[in-house]
Amino acid sequence: SQQGEEDPQALSIQEGENATMNCSYKTSINNLQWYRQNSGRGLVHLILIRSNEREKHSGRLRVTLDTSKKSSSLLITASRAADTASYFCAKGNQGGKLIFGQGTELSVKP
Amino acid sequence: EAQVTQNPRYLITVTGKKLTVTCSQNMNHEYMSWYRQDPGLGLRQIYYSMNVEVTDKGDVPEGYKVSRKEKRNFPLILESPSPNQTSLYFCASIPRGPRTEAFFGQGTRLTVV
Repeated sequence: SQQGEEDPQALSIQEGENATMNCSYKTSINNLQWYRQNSGRGLVHLILIRSNEREKHSGRLRVTLDTSKKSSSLLITASRAADTASYFCAKGNQGGKLIFGQGTELSVKP
Repeated sequence: EAQVTQNPRYLITVTGKKLTVTCSQNMNHEYMSWYRQDPGLGLRQIYYSMNVEVTDKGDVPEGYKVSRKEKRNFPLILESPSPNQTSLYFCASIPRGPRTEAFFGQGTRLTVV
């Protein structure tokens, strides 16, 4: 399997705190994407960072990519209870093939 | 509205009874994929398709078949379901080009008894 590792597997924080999730991968990529999944529902795309980019922002989301370490991080700032969900990174390659990690379960307590 | 539609949403069936889960997208995307999601294992790709009549195996293809006769449809076929295929299944479509974000269906929860 080409799946990488995500850590932590579970993260519990208080509202207002920042949440950081990490993703590592093994093979080269075209891009690295992050998705959110509310319990049992379909995944929703959050942000995409290309292999030649180092950092990207979207609202309260910040994604970094370090291709030398084959790793990426997703930072959610000023978290809210509504951010409670599972977050997945996905490695994007040629031909639209996406390989997902095992995910991080985030719980934000009000 | 741009969407990926899967049917059925829930299905309970018996071992060995052939079933098909349908997937349809209205965005004219070239790429489509099927994933299964199991606790602690994340999403694992079953099959994917790069275009009409072009399909390839993912990481866990055993026990599944797919077809891509039309661009919009990508059904998942279980010829002889077994209990280890009890899972949550997702279909996804992805456009060709720089914006390769995936659009997911709402999922099909399959139980094989």
